[in-house]
Amino acid sequence: KAGVTQTPRYLIKTRGQQVTLSCSPISGHRSVSWYQQTPGQGLQFLFEYFSETQRNKGNFPGRFSGRQFSNSRSEMNVSTLELGDSALYLCASSLGGMAYEQYFGPGTRLTVT
Amino acid sequence: GENVEQHPSTLSVQEGDSAVIKCTYSDSASNYFPWYKQELGKGPQLIIDIRSNVGEKKDQRIAVTLNKTAKHFSLHITETQPEDSAVYFCAASTQGGAQKLVFGQGTRLTINP
Repeated sequence: KAGVTQTPRYLIKTRGQQVTLSCSPISGHRSVSWYQQTPGQGLQFLFEYFSETQRNKGNFPGRFSGRQFSNSRSEMNVSTLELGDSALYLCASSLGGMAYEQYFGPGTRLTVT
Repeated sequence: GENVEQHPSTLSVQEGDSAVIKCTYSDSASNYFPWYKQELGKGPQLIIDIRSNVGEKKDQRIAVTLNKTAKHFSLHITETQPEDSAVYFCAASTQGGAQKLVFGQGTRLTINP
């Protein structure tokens, strides 16, 4: 079974721009969670989607948003990029049990200049 | 808010020796505790997890113990090998209708040949 895939793997954007990242979960998994990973703050939860509905949200500003499609693929969008948004963005999928048995993708490395 | 503390931040052991990483959590309602291994350039990999109704779980050279009273859990790796070198993260689920994971800050484990 194929793992979680994320595209693109690397991205360079300019401050003020917006960006969209994509995540395809493991086949059959209906829950997708997004995390931001930085050296200073570690792994921080952004939001979780299940059956196209956002079920939980972390403490991030409204510039961070996401959505999930009927095939469980998910996208996250960051508008008005700031330098501090430079990070590794990870998505994780699970069968449907919220926090249980989450499997991560390789991440998208976003650099904001 | 919920908090997970992880110690030590770095750990260096001789090949063949054992390694122990410890975490404490703050939310007494947490009921799921996974451990992840992250290698350079990759996303975190789920290596073992434990639920609150179990005190210990073992999978070959890896074991996790949980003390709910003290609110701490530990990862034990025996007969360490060079390929065990990586950053290890503990996490705890949070209470709530849609649970999420709160991660520790990570432990960089180095196995010296």
